[in-house]
Amino acid sequence: GAVVSQHPSWVICKSGTSVKIECRSLDFQATTMFWYRQFPKQSLMLMATSNEGSKATYEQGVEKDKFLINHASLTLSTLTVTSAHPEDSSFYICSAELAGGLNEQFFGPGTRLTVL
Amino acid sequence: GNSVTQMEGPVTLSEEAFLTINCTYTATGYPSLFWYVQYPGEGLQLLLKATKADDKGSNKGFEATYRKETTSFHLEKGSVQVSDSAVYFCALNSGGYQKVTFGTGTKLQVIP
Repeated sequence: GAVVSQHPSWVICKSGTSVKIECRSLDFQATTMFWYRQFPKQSLMLMATSNEGSKATYEQGVEKDKFLINHASLTLSTLTVTSAHPEDSSFYICSAELAGGLNEQFFGPGTRLTVL
Repeated sequence: GNSVTQMEGPVTLSEEAFLTINCTYTATGYPSLFWYVQYPGEGLQLLLKATKADDKGSNKGFEATYRKETTSFHLEKGSVQVSDSAVYFCALNSGGYQKVTFGTGTKLQVIP
């Protein structure tokens, strides 16, 4: 149980276009999901906390107008990278916390974004 | 604030060698502690966890004990295999939908 999926697993896009990444909790409800970004050979950097039915909370230095987050249901959160540029190329990982699950977060497999 | 410090890598070991990856933390309250593993090109997988002092988490031959007195959660394995080659992240969570704080990761390479 407690499986989190992401779609797509990888995407290549042209500079200036927008890309949407989906994060789904497959067998549990998650009122809170988290979006991370991982640069090559580095640790995960939290971008934002996504709360179902309300606005996301962004970490300092993360542009909320560039990284749009929508958490429309208890099982789905989306991250849209708007007007993507090559420097946005990265590995994006989401996680979801199981309610009452002793603080454990379950991570998706990640989405590799390459902007040409 | 919360922080996690883990030993820098890369760590290169021969197959069947003993592994230790050090991890220490700073946190308010009573955090839960985790080790995650990331294989090349993949997302994070939970390796083991401990939710209170003196708990020992274990999985796939890996172990880590929650030491409150030394604020440590060192990862150990008695005999590593080539398939253990990955990046290992120590992490903590203070609870209540708090964000997870990760260490910088330690790359392990096991050679035959």
